[in-house]
Amino acid sequence: GDSVTQMEGPVTLSEEAFLTINCTYTATGYPSLFWYVQYPGEGLQLLLKATKADDKGSNKGFEATYRKETTSFHLEKGSVQVSDSAVYFCALIPISNDYKLSFGAGTTVTVRA
Amino acid sequence: DAGVTQSPTHLIKTRGQHVTLRCSPISGHKSVSWYQQVLGQGPQFIFQYYEKEERGRGNFPDRFSARQFPNYSSELNVNALLLGDSALYLCASSRRGEWADTQYFGPGTRLTVL
Repeated sequence: GDSVTQMEGPVTLSEEAFLTINCTYTATGYPSLFWYVQYPGEGLQLLLKATKADDKGSNKGFEATYRKETTSFHLEKGSVQVSDSAVYFCALIPISNDYKLSFGAGTTVTVRA
Repeated sequence: DAGVTQSPTHLIKTRGQHVTLRCSPISGHKSVSWYQQVLGQGPQFIFQYYEKEERGRGNFPDRFSARQFPNYSSELNVNALLLGDSALYLCASSRRGEWADTQYFGPGTRLTVL
């Protein structure tokens, strides 16, 4: 079935370091792809999304590009801050199902000052 | 504007009991979805409701049921609780429950089954 695989954590970085979290997907056709973030003590928030191949989603300095050739949607940020410490989830909605989000296992990111 | 609200925040039950979790969507949103998030894993889809009709169901046993009310709020019911039902239960609302809509998540209800 449709699924998402994201890199395992935890990831620990220093402030101003470059962050990459890998995400690959398996799906029929071209799903919509999402990154959600869960800050400590808070609910899931949509970080960015892309709905077709080659689309780039961006928000709060984070970017991810929908790569059909490699079935990937890697999350990147050029200079992280302590406030970026959170759990990041890659997710998809399959083309055959326009409401069910399928999530990866999540990647815990800790940024140290 | 108020976000998605869920009640209760925490709940402790024993095996075999029944539980009801509640969700109020963002004003103007007509679709509510429920997800189960076991510790250390990503959320798993349970149900989606739109305009009081069930639109989708995930791979969960019949012990799980839900409904949506005329004011678009929703309840998730779980019967005959098992230890494995211990999880964070998340509610998400969107305007129409379509792929183009952003799903907004509530803070969740933490259920512990002893």
